[in-house]
Amino acid sequence: DVKVTQSSRYLVKRTGEKVFLECVQDMDHENMFWYRQDPGLGLRLIYFSYDVKMKEKGDIPEGYSVSREKKERFSLILESASTNQTSMYLCASSLFRGAGTEAFFGQGTRLTVV
Amino acid sequence: KQEVTQIPAALSVPEGENLVLNCSFTDSAIYNLQWFRQDPGKGLTSLLLIQSSQREQTSGRLNASLDKSSGRSTLYIAASQPGDSATYLCAVSVSQRGSRLTFGEGTQLTVNP
Repeated sequence: DVKVTQSSRYLVKRTGEKVFLECVQDMDHENMFWYRQDPGLGLRLIYFSYDVKMKEKGDIPEGYSVSREKKERFSLILESASTNQTSMYLCASSLFRGAGTEAFFGQGTRLTVV
Repeated sequence: KQEVTQIPAALSVPEGENLVLNCSFTDSAIYNLQWFRQDPGKGLTSLLLIQSSQREQTSGRLNASLDKSSGRSTLYIAASQPGDSATYLCAVSVSQRGSRLTFGEGTQLTVNP
């Protein structure tokens, strides 16, 4: 079975802190994604990566950055956490084929910024 | 811009009932459509993937159909059980490298014993 593992289920951070969310997948997938999920807004794409060291902005990249130094790991970085970044963060991965393939998600990280 | 809509937003049914969840999308230029299940406070579990060239996919009591030209998909759940209670999300893979997904807001399903 494909496994996507996020480093934390729950995090509480203070405003202004630098926050790292880590995601690891074990199926050699090229694509990795970070989404956030908020009530009434659904899932929105923050960043995605289709190869090591490659990244593209999603729909809401402001206030975030990402790092992909190894194929299996994709990190989301909140440079200076703010209360409006309190949310559920979801990582996903998929194989890269032109027609698109099944996406697999991690268990989510509930981040609270106080 | 691709938009995905799911109707109804919430549904409550008695155990054993067959039910249909609806998903519509505005741009028919999709590569595939995927149905997910999400339990409260958890991540998403993939249920079914339909490629754009396919009309339907089945897994156990679940059947998903796709009508790309009309921008619609349905998820049919047969003989519903209380364990089916969850939020069901559909997502379309848009025509870009990386297969990014655009999601609907989901249908919250409650199956009552």
